[in-house]
Amino acid sequence: KAGVTQTPRYLIKTRGQQVTLSCSPISGHRSVSWYQQTPGQGLQFLFEYFSETQRNKGNFPGRFSGRQFSNSRSEMNVSTLELGDSALYLCASSLATGTGGNTDTQYFGPGTRLTVL
Amino acid sequence: AQKVTQAQTEISVVEKEDVTLDCVYETRDTTYYLFWYKQPPSGELVFLIRRNSFDEQNEISGRYSWNFQKSTSSFNFTITASQVVDSAVYFCALSDDPTGANNLFFGTGTRLTVIP
Repeated sequence: KAGVTQTPRYLIKTRGQQVTLSCSPISGHRSVSWYQQTPGQGLQFLFEYFSETQRNKGNFPGRFSGRQFSNSRSEMNVSTLELGDSALYLCASSLATGTGGNTDTQYFGPGTRLTVL
Repeated sequence: AQKVTQAQTEISVVEKEDVTLDCVYETRDTTYYLFWYKQPPSGELVFLIRRNSFDEQNEISGRYSWNFQKSTSSFNFTITASQVVDSAVYFCALSDDPTGANNLFFGTGTRLTVIP
């Protein structure tokens, strides 16, 4: 079974630009969550999508947005990039049945490393 | 408010030593879930364990063991007979969701280096 894939793996942008990151979940997983990891703030939850609906959102400005498609693939977009947006962006997928079964955990992708110059 | 504290920023041990990684959490929820993840140099977070707030049984999985104590709001992780492959950053996390999918709060992580 293929794992979570994220594209691109590395990205360099300049301030003011926008960027779109992609995440393909494990087959059958309907939930995709996004996280930002920086040396200063650590790992922070961005948002979660389930069946094309955003169910929860972390404490990030509106420049950070996302969406999920009918095949569960998800994209996140950051507009008007700032230097502080440089980070490793991780996505994770899960069945999210709500029962907490042994197999119902988050599986993380390798991340996209975004550098803003 | 949810909060997870991992006071140990970095730990170095010599191979075969035992090591315990500390995790202290804060939450007002009566039902919550605690997690440990491993992040090797490749960057991908690897799930290690989940424990719900109603299950204070300690757990052992091979060389790994976890000690959950609600009285002290702690969920510590012990690696017995450490190996070089255990070198990684370890994160403790807290959620009110059993999967952790829709709001996972991470600690700042503990970087473990196992010296051969």
